[in-house]
Amino acid sequence: QVTLRESGPALVKPTQTLTLTCTFSGFSLSTSGMCVSWIRQPPGKALEWLARIDWDDDKFYSTSLKTRLTVSKDTSKNQVDLTLSNMDPVDTATYYCARMSGGLFLDYWGQGTLVTVSS
Amino acid sequence: QSALTQPASVSGSPGQSITISCTGTSSDVGAYNYVSWYQQHPGKAPKLMIYDVNKRPSGVSNRFFGSKSGNTASLIISGLQAEDEADYYCSSYRGSGTYVFGTGTKVTVL
Repeated sequence: QVTLRESGPALVKPTQTLTLTCTFSGFSLSTSGMCVSWIRQPPGKALEWLARIDWDDDKFYSTSLKTRLTVSKDTSKNQVDLTLSNMDPVDTATYYCARMSGGLFLDYWGQGTLVTVSS
Repeated sequence: QSALTQPASVSGSPGQSITISCTGTSSDVGAYNYVSWYQQHPGKAPKLMIYDVNKRPSGVSNRFFGSKSGNTASLIISGLQAEDEADYYCSSYRGSGTYVFGTGTKVTVL
């Protein structure tokens, strides 16, 4: 059974760096073709793709947020981290992690974690 | 990095069919057969409904059908049911490992 769960702070201050962790089970990120993506959704708004990390440690980022995003993995812990620097109130959103397994689609999603940016 | 364009809302009566369009460009929808569709109920995580334009994951009703023509993809829901009321998002691969989502469509069952 594949599960993913996001964790991290619910509240961050402007200019701070956000670090979120995606802890997963039911698959290994060392398996060829496996990837984990991060997606966010501001309240009442659309989904936005942020980043992806692959089994071979290839990393891909949203063009508009590339300078602020970093994604990394710890295969032994079944975890993927996302950092977003210089947080702003417009970054307030529910952040999701999701799996991609050999295809270019997101087949399993975490429940999401709401991050609010406020002083 | 512009989002794919979807109608804000689509409605239909139970039993009817509805179509949700998803318009992109020759750099995303038109370039790749990697369009997927996600259903999202309020307060819930998105759920994969269609991938690779017209493939259904195991467990998804065959009332959901996907297609693509040029730069526009479509999701057709036939035999509309109350449980289909949700937000729907399309997504496309955009090359160089990047992806783009649509603006989202709220489906209302009248």
